[in-house]
Amino acid sequence: GDSVTQMEGPVTLSEEAFLTINCTYTATGYPSLFWYVQYPGEGLQLLLKATKADDKGSNKGFEATYRKETTSFHLEKGSVQVSDSAVYFCALLDGGATNKLIFGTGTLLAVQP
Amino acid sequence: DAGVTQSPTHLIKTRGQQVTLRCSPKSGHDTVSWYQQALGQGPQFIFQYYEEEERQRGNFPDRFSGHQFPNYSSELNVNALLLGDSALYLCASSRNTYNEQFFGPGTRLTVL
Repeated sequence: GDSVTQMEGPVTLSEEAFLTINCTYTATGYPSLFWYVQYPGEGLQLLLKATKADDKGSNKGFEATYRKETTSFHLEKGSVQVSDSAVYFCALLDGGATNKLIFGTGTLLAVQP
Repeated sequence: DAGVTQSPTHLIKTRGQQVTLRCSPKSGHDTVSWYQQALGQGPQFIFQYYEEEERQRGNFPDRFSGHQFPNYSSELNVNALLLGDSALYLCASSRNTYNEQFFGPGTRLTVL
């Protein structure tokens, strides 16, 4: 079945450092891909998405490009802030009759001042 | 415009008990999905309700059941609670079964 694999955390960075969180997927067909963020004690917020190959999703300085050839959707940010500390989830949209999301296990990002 | 709301925020139960969690979708949304997020894991799809019917189900036992009301709100029921049911339960709503989902803050269930 469809699945998402994320790099394990925690990822610890200093403020203003460059961030990459790797995400690869296995799916039949061409799923939509998402990054969600979960701040401590909160639910999930959609960070960005891409619906087809070579699309680039971006929001709040974060970017991710849908790479069909490598089945990847890596999350990047050029300069992280302490406020970016959170858990980041990569997800794909199941291509069936519903909009069921399949999530990776999440990557904890800790940004130190 | 209120987003997705869930109640209660936290809940503590003992093994063998039953629990009901509630979700009100975002205004204009008619589809509700439920996810279970165990500690340190990603959310796992439980099931989805649309037009008051269960449309798709994940790999969860029959102890997990749900309901959707005519006003599109939804309940998740779990019977015969096990320690392993301790998790954050997330509700997500969308307009139809194929549009973007918006998540609520979740209900933290602890089973002792």
